Amino acid sequence: AQSVSQHNHHVILSEAASLELGCNYSYGGTVNLFWYVQYPGQHLQLLLKYFSGDPLVKGIKGFEAEFIKSKFSFNLRKPSVQWSDTAEYFCAVNARSSGSARQLTFGSGTQLTVLP
Amino acid sequence: DTGVSQDPRHKITKRGQNVTFRCDPISEHNRLYWYRQTLGQGPEFLTYFQNEAQLEKSRLLSDRFSAERPKGSFSTLEIQRTEQGDSAMYLCASSMDSHNSPLHFGNGTRLTVT
Repeated sequence: AQSVSQHNHHVILSEAASLELGCNYSYGGTVNLFWYVQYPGQHLQLLLKYFSGDPLVKGIKGFEAEFIKSKFSFNLRKPSVQWSDTAEYFCAVNARSSGSARQLTFGSGTQLTVLP
Repeated sequence: DTGVSQDPRHKITKRGQNVTFRCDPISEHNRLYWYRQTLGQGPEFLTYFQNEAQLEKSRLLSDRFSAERPKGSFSTLEIQRTEQGDSAMYLCASSMDSHNSPLHFGNGTRLTVT
């Protein structure tokens, strides 16, 4: 079974600071990788996804993530955060094995607070 | 709004009572998922439907939990004889019939068992 670790539970940044949220997964096979975001009072929304190809993927709102297969990592980055980026961020993995191809395994989330 | 709709938003019940939640997926999505999220944790997979067929169930889904999707459209999740440990946010998601199709989540039903 796969698992996902998010290293930081709570990150506090000032506006315009750069962001990097760590995500490591544990699974020996081929995976799909996702970052979801949950703004206060809203539902989970897809930020970006990686299935194959270029390991650097770009998502909405200026976010990007890099898949490093050798490190089993999929860190989320943004060069300059805004107050509106305050939210909880979840990394998720979908293992492409026949027994679990359809369920996402989520990390425990990182709460990002951006100070104006 | 044509997103995933869940009802009710909040449910408070006494231990031992039965509760039922409803999920209406995005209309063209034939895959439907239920997840549970507790405080400080990410969502945990409970079960998955392709049309009306329940294809996967997590070991988290005890025999007190039952989910249905009778006509391949909306789904219900019932919890019988609720326990305090069932208190959580229950999330529904739907997706297209493609392995690479991302999940679209509803706002969830927050269950509090007193």
